[in-house]
Amino acid sequence: NAGVTQTPKFQVLKTGQSMTLQCAQDMNHEYMSWYRQDPGMGLRLIHYSVGAGITDQGEVPNGYNVSRSTTEDFPLRLLSAAPSQTSVYFCASSRDEGYEQYFGPGTRLTVT
Amino acid sequence: EDQVTQSPEALRLQEGESSSLNCSYTVSGLRGLFWYRQDPGKGPEFLFTLYSAGEEKEKERLKATLTKKESFLHITAPKPEDSATYLCAVQAFDKIIFGKGTRLHILP
Repeated sequence: NAGVTQTPKFQVLKTGQSMTLQCAQDMNHEYMSWYRQDPGMGLRLIHYSVGAGITDQGEVPNGYNVSRSTTEDFPLRLLSAAPSQTSVYFCASSRDEGYEQYFGPGTRLTVT
Repeated sequence: EDQVTQSPEALRLQEGESSSLNCSYTVSGLRGLFWYRQDPGKGPEFLFTLYSAGEEKEKERLKATLTKKESFLHITAPKPEDSATYLCAVQAFDKIIFGKGTRLHILP
């Protein structure tokens, strides 16, 4: 099993550009989530999904969109990148909400 | 306000010197408390889940305990490979909150 995979590992964007961070899991987990990690702050939840076709907002959803068309994939879209979105992004999955999460390796995003 | 606080922020120990990391929380409706380990440049790795006060879990040199207000991660006779950031997360009824972590450095 590959677990949770994320692409790309690194990305540099200019302000106003859009992009999609990819996330996939092969553990047949229902729950998937996106976090951002900034220096001096804990992981903050952006969006989450409790199953295919169902998504909801987390603590810091502004500027991001998600969709969940399959159990395996949970892409995160940045609509119009801003310097405040410079961060490390982690995707995670778990068998259900409230259980331990398995994290991907992260995407380091810089917006100039 | 729901909150998770980890202390200390950073800890340096000699190899073999046991210590404890603290995670204190104030949330309504605790559903579970999680400990993760994070190595530089990598995603967090799951260690333990605790669900109720009095519960304890062990894995190698690590032992996690839970009370109604806090959790401790005890590290016994640590080795340099235990150096990492340890994250605590609390699952409340309608949210999950991560602490800022404790950076642990074990000196050989």
